[in-house]
Amino acid sequence: QITLRESGPTLVKPTQTLTLTCTFSGFSLNSGGVGVGWIRQPPGKALEWLAVIYWDENIRYSPPLKNSLTIAKDTSKNEVVLTMSNVDSVDTATYYCARRMVGEATFDYWGQGMLVTVSS
Amino acid sequence: QSVLTQPPSVSAAPGQKATISCSGSRSNVGNNYVSWYQQLPGTAPKLLIYDNFKRPSGIPDRFSGSKSGTSATLGITGLQTGDEADYYCGTWDDTLSAEVFGGGTKLTVL
Repeated sequence: QITLRESGPTLVKPTQTLTLTCTFSGFSLNSGGVGVGWIRQPPGKALEWLAVIYWDENIRYSPPLKNSLTIAKDTSKNEVVLTMSNVDSVDTATYYCARRMVGEATFDYWGQGMLVTVSS
Repeated sequence: QSVLTQPPSVSAAPGQKATISCSGSRSNVGNNYVSWYQQLPGTAPKLLIYDNFKRPSGIPDRFSGSKSGTSATLGITGLQTGDEADYYCGTWDDTLSAEVFGGGTKLTVL
């Protein structure tokens, strides 16, 4: 059974750095063709892709956000960590992590998501 | 302003068919596989269709996907009240080097 779960702070102040952790089970980031990505959704708005990291350390970032994002994996812990620096109120959103399969070019399993609010 | 264009809302009666369109360009829909996701109220997105028309295990054949040129379509037959949700299309954009999603379509079964 494949599961993913997001964790991190639910409230951060403007200009701070947000660190989110995706803990997954049922698959390995050592397996070829596997990746884990982050997607967010501001309240009442559409999905927005943020970043993805693959088994081979290949990383892609959303171009508008690439200067503020860092994604990394810890295969021994089955975790993927996303950091976002200098957050603003516009970064208030539900953040999802999801498995990405290169072969199918899709996000096939998603975490339940967690709402992060940026406010002073 | 999303890179992929979807109608904001679609409605149809129970038992009928609904179609949701996703319009893009050659750099995204035209050149890459399209996925469709269903987001029931208050829940995470769920994969419905991948590789334009394939269904993951457990997704009923009432859901179908197709693609022609730079547009993709999600079809849902035998509509049920439980199908009321937001639906998103998504694909890779070669020019942006980014995964892109549509703005979402709210399906109402009335």
